[in-house]
Amino acid sequence: NAGVMQNPRHLVRRRGQEARLRCSPMKGHSHVYWYRQLPEEGLKFMVYLQKENIIDESGMPKERFSAEFPKEGPSILRIQQVVRGDSAAYFCASSPGGSLYTEAFFGQGTRLTVV
Amino acid sequence: AQSVTQLDSQVPVFEEAPVELRCNYSSSVSVYLFWYVQYPNQGLQLLLKYLSGSTLVKGINGFEAEFNKSQTSFHLRKPSVHISDTAEYFCAVTPLNTDKLIFGTGTRLQVFP
Repeated sequence: NAGVMQNPRHLVRRRGQEARLRCSPMKGHSHVYWYRQLPEEGLKFMVYLQKENIIDESGMPKERFSAEFPKEGPSILRIQQVVRGDSAAYFCASSPGGSLYTEAFFGQGTRLTVV
Repeated sequence: AQSVTQLDSQVPVFEEAPVELRCNYSSSVSVYLFWYVQYPNQGLQLLLKYLSGSTLVKGINGFEAEFNKSQTSFHLRKPSVHISDTAEYFCAVTPLNTDKLIFGTGTRLQVFP
């Protein structure tokens, strides 16, 4: 059972370009979470998705950022018109979900550098 | 709202010495508590968690933590550290009514020979 897979591991974009970050959850997991880690800071929650639904996007910047988790395929975090301040490590986590606590497993992250 | 405070940004220690990494939290609702470890250029790995029951929880790699409700703390301890324990350690909470983790800013543990 492969872990949470994120790609690419490293992504370089020029200011103004679009960045697409992909996250394939563990098999059997239907809940996906995205976190952002700025240099020298902890991880900040961005968005929580279930298949075809955004459950909580309270941590997403209001502009340029969007996320989806389609019925088929990976979850995508999309950043339009990137700026230098978007440079960070973006981590995805997945869990099976349910009414009781279930552990979330993290991917290795995508490190975005905006030049 | 919830917040997590890790007062020590860096903790240097010699190999085989004991270590304690401090974590305090603030929350108006009950929470689950976690410690994660992050090795360089890696994702986060769960060290241990407190959901309910005994306040002393044991995790992987010889780590343990004690939940103290009155002091709202969840300090991480290891009686004898190894060079391979050098990493960033994050304390986190999840309010019982949500699924998102709220992280502290991390403590960098540096173990010297």
